[in-house]
Amino acid sequence: KQEVTQIPAALSVPEGENLVLNCSFTDSAIYNLQWFRQDPGKGLTSLLLIQSSQREQTSGRLNASLDKSSGRSTLYIAASQPGDSATYLCGSGTASKLTFGTGTRLQVTL
Amino acid sequence: GAVVSQHPSWVICKSGTSVKIECRSLDFQATTMFWYRQFPKQSLMLMATSNEGSKATYEQGVEKDKFLINHASLTLSTLTVTSAHPEDSSFYICSARAHRGPMYGYTFGSGTRLTVV
Repeated sequence: KQEVTQIPAALSVPEGENLVLNCSFTDSAIYNLQWFRQDPGKGLTSLLLIQSSQREQTSGRLNASLDKSSGRSTLYIAASQPGDSATYLCGSGTASKLTFGTGTRLQVTL
Repeated sequence: GAVVSQHPSWVICKSGTSVKIECRSLDFQATTMFWYRQFPKQSLMLMATSNEGSKATYEQGVEKDKFLINHASLTLSTLTVTSAHPEDSSFYICSARAHRGPMYGYTFGSGTRLTVV
């Protein structure tokens, strides 16, 4: 059974800082790794999708890496802004389902 | 890009009544849809996998008779919470996977806040 863990559970940083969110998974037989953002009371917005054959993906200030052999993925956010405040979830995708981590609650302060 | 519409966004119902939540893929065909439940400040827990034209696959511990799932077309799946009780109050989110396969990721609806009074 796939287990996904995210560290840290919560993070507060001042605006402008670069930060890294971590995701680890126990079963490396995945199709892909997907990072999402969730605002309070809302659904999930997909940020980045990394296929199992890829090492990283970039979108604007976001960069996600994947090391399948070690069961790890990181989400790097550059020059953080207050609008980045949200919960970030990683999901490891297999052929049949997407398993979520526990999430990291990020707060970017002015 | 892929868009999933979920309706209603919130609903309040009385104990004992049933509530139906719809999940539609607007611009792609979704042979597989997923239903999740989320408690406050917790992650998403998969309830069931819905496959078009066949019975849903429920996760362990999820009551099939209580949470009825129908996936009658490639663009619509519904979740019906039957005989709702206050403990069913939660945030329900659906997601859809494109027909092309799991390599293309998952798209999520905006969620439904269910409150049973």
